[in-house]
Amino acid sequence: DAGVTQSPTHLIKTRGQHVTLRCSPISGHKSVSWYQQVLGQGPQFIFQYYEKEERGRGNFPDRFSARQFPNYSSELNVNALLLGDSALYLCASSLVGTYSYNEQFFGPGTRLTVL
Amino acid sequence: DAKTTQPPSMDCAEGRAANLPCNHSTISGNEYVYWYRQIHSQGPQYIIHGLKNNETNEMASLIITEDRKSSTLILPHATLRDTAVYYCIVNPSNTGKLIFGQGTTLQVKP
Repeated sequence: DAGVTQSPTHLIKTRGQHVTLRCSPISGHKSVSWYQQVLGQGPQFIFQYYEKEERGRGNFPDRFSARQFPNYSSELNVNALLLGDSALYLCASSLVGTYSYNEQFFGPGTRLTVL
Repeated sequence: DAKTTQPPSMDCAEGRAANLPCNHSTISGNEYVYWYRQIHSQGPQYIIHGLKNNETNEMASLIITEDRKSSTLILPHATLRDTAVYYCIVNPSNTGKLIFGQGTTLQVKP
């Protein structure tokens, strides 16, 4: 079975631009979460979606938004890019049951560089 | 902020057991202990989790103290491929917001 896939793998943008990152969860998984990992630090939670609804949001500005589609894939959008948005963006999916929210399967990430 | 404290780095000889400690003195009754690891340039990988009983799977064992204020992840026979950053996370089971700390960088040496 395919794992979590993310596209693109790498991306270079300039300040002020907009970016869309995509994630396809493992087949059968209905929850998708997004994390930002700045070099040298642990991942930071951005959003969680379940059944197309936002279930959690981290401490990120409104420039960050996301959505989940009927096929459970997801997009993360970042507007008005800043240099500090340069990071590895990770998507994780989980087979949500009562005790399964936190057994998350991570994709390889999208490396975003803002110049 | 992360609710766990881990040593920043540890070394382990190849073939020996690696014991990674984690302190979580403020853990609540409904919070589980989760362990993830991240090999360089890859996404984190789920290892194991537990509530109060010791747990074992094909990757590792998790020992949780009786008062639940600390735990130890055990890799029974460490290999060079186990070199990674190991994260200990405490979280209620019904939320998907994992809060990663700095983790422990485990270096397995030949």
